Parts: sequence; C-alpha cells; structure tokens
Amino acid sequence: DAGVIQSPRHEVTEMGQEVTLRCKPISGHNSLFWYRQTMMRGLELLIYFNNNVPIDDSGMPEDRFSAKMPNASFSTLKIQPSEPRDSAVYFCASSFGADYGYTFGSGTRLTVV
Amino acid sequence: GENVEQHPSTLSVQEGDSAVIKCTYSDSASNYFPWYKQELGKGPQLIIDIRSNVGEKKDQRIAVTLNKTAKHFSLHITETQPEDSAVYFCAASRSQFYFGTGTSLTVIP
Repeated sequence: DAGVIQSPRHEVTEMGQEVTLRCKPISGHNSLFWYRQTMMRGLELLIYFNNNVPIDDSGMPEDRFSAKMPNASFSTLKIQPSEPRDSAVYFCASSFGADYGYTFGSGTRLTVV
Repeated sequence: GENVEQHPSTLSVQEGDSAVIKCTYSDSASNYFPWYKQELGKGPQLIIDIRSNVGEKKDQRIAVTLNKTAKHFSLHITETQPEDSAVYFCAASRSQFYFGTGTSLTVIP
C-alpha cells in the first residue's frame, strides 16, 4: 500500500484565494482525520470522518474551513477565503478506528501571503 | 475532554545513553496510548502503542510503560542512535486521539 497520499505537498497562495487540500486514505481504513500543525499550537484535530460521515468538526476554526468525504477513498479540506494565519502544515491521517494507530500522510505545507 | 501533558519539551542525550519521555493524561476512560516519531518534513509515524490492559510493551530498543492508576505513561529508548533524533508525540485515545505537545530529542554522536 502506498500509505496515505496528500496533495499538493506545498501550496503558496495569496490572501483571499481558495485553497483545496486533498487526501487519499489507506484502502480499508474507515476513519479519516484532518490535522493542522503549527509551532504555537502543535497538532490540532480539525475534523474526523467515520465511514465517510463527519463525526466531530468542533476543531474547524471558522466557517472559512470546510471538509468533505464523498467516498471512502477521497477527502478534501477547503479554505475560502484563505488568510495568512492559516499558514501551517495540514496532515491527513486514516485508521481502522479511534483505538487503532493512525497512519499519517506526508502533509501539505500551506503558506498564505 | 482529555488533557495530555508531555515532558520534557527538549531532550539531549549522548549516543548510546537512554532517553525517557513522560506523559500524563486526565481522562480515566482513555484506553489506547500510541507514540509517534516525526522527522523533519515528514508526517508523524507510529512507533509503538499500548492498551490499557497492558502495563509494559517492548519492541527492540523501544519500550512503553503505562500506569493507569496514576494516569501516566512513558517512552523509553535504550542505546540511542543519531537516527533517533526527531520529535516524539504521545497520545491518549478514547473516541479520538489527544496529542501531547511533543519532545524534541537530539542524540549527540
């Protein structure tokens, strides 16, 4: 298995633009998680899905953030409009459930200028 | 919700020495405790985990201990090597993972 695949690896965008991050989880995993990592706040859970259904989105910082999982093999995290404070590394992870180890992707480094 | 505290935030050891990282958690219902290693520019990688019905688990040079009564768990790395240098995260899980703030480990050759 190729692991959790995220794209793009790096994204530089101007403030106000829409940004879409993509994730392909490991086949067979039924849980998918989006995390944001910054020096100040560490690893923050933004949202997680179980069997493609959003279970907890309390970590989504604002209405500017939205996430979808249209099927078991694909998820997106969208920021519209983007702001400089959204600059961070965004990780996607998948697992068989909360009591199993997560497999993380390589992350998307987002820079909003 | 769960609160996971991790210490120390930075740790430097000489190659060949042991390293110990400690975490405490607040929710007694947490039942799964993984440890992750994150190298520069990469995502966190699971290195070892322990469940609440087990007190200790070993995997070669890495071991994890769990004290449910005291609500703390620790990562032990023996015979450290330069490639062990990374940031290590603990986590406690009930319905979702709650991560510690990370420990930056440097192994000095």
